Amino acid sequence: GDSVTQMEGPVTLSEEAFLTINCTYTATGYPSLFWYVQYPGEGLQLLLKATKADDKGSNKGFEATYRKETTSFHLEKGSVQVSDSAVYFCALIRGSNYKLTFGKGTLLTVNP
Amino acid sequence: DTAVSQTPKYLVTQMGNDKSIKCEQNLGHDTMYWYKQDSKKFLKIMFSYNNKELIINETVPNRFSPKSPDKAHLNLHINSLELGDSAVYFCASKLAGGNADTQYFGPGTRLTVL
Repeated sequence: GDSVTQMEGPVTLSEEAFLTINCTYTATGYPSLFWYVQYPGEGLQLLLKATKADDKGSNKGFEATYRKETTSFHLEKGSVQVSDSAVYFCALIRGSNYKLTFGKGTLLTVNP
Repeated sequence: DTAVSQTPKYLVTQMGNDKSIKCEQNLGHDTMYWYKQDSKKFLKIMFSYNNKELIINETVPNRFSPKSPDKAHLNLHINSLELGDSAVYFCASKLAGGNADTQYFGPGTRLTVL
């Protein structure tokens, strides 16, 4: 079945550091790929997405590129802020039922 | 205006009780979902309804019964609650159709079974 593997963390960075959270997936066909973010005490919000190979999703300084050859969708940000502290989930959708399959989440803490 | 709302936000109850969680979306979406997030933050789909019809039913105990009175609402009823049911339950919704794949999540309901 479909699966998503992401680095488990926790990840602790200083403000303005570079962030990478790795995500790889297993799925047949051509899934759509997503990063969702969950701030403390809140629900999930879509951060960015990509629906086909070589697409780059971007939002709020975060970027991720859909790499079909490596089945990856790594999340990057050049300079993190304290307000980026949250749990980040990589996810995919494949097929007509649009069931989201999530990775286990990565807790990011950014210190001032 | 809240797009996807859930009630209650917190629910504390005893083992063996029956409880319901309600979800409403005002986005005009056709498809709604229930997800469970365990204590380690792992998220897993439970159910999905499209226009009041059940389309996804993952291997969830039959103590859990979703009900969709109309396409804007998807409620979750849980019978005979067990300790392992303690989790955060998220409702989500999306438009039906091939290009509308973004799901919008509610704020979650934290269920604690004592």
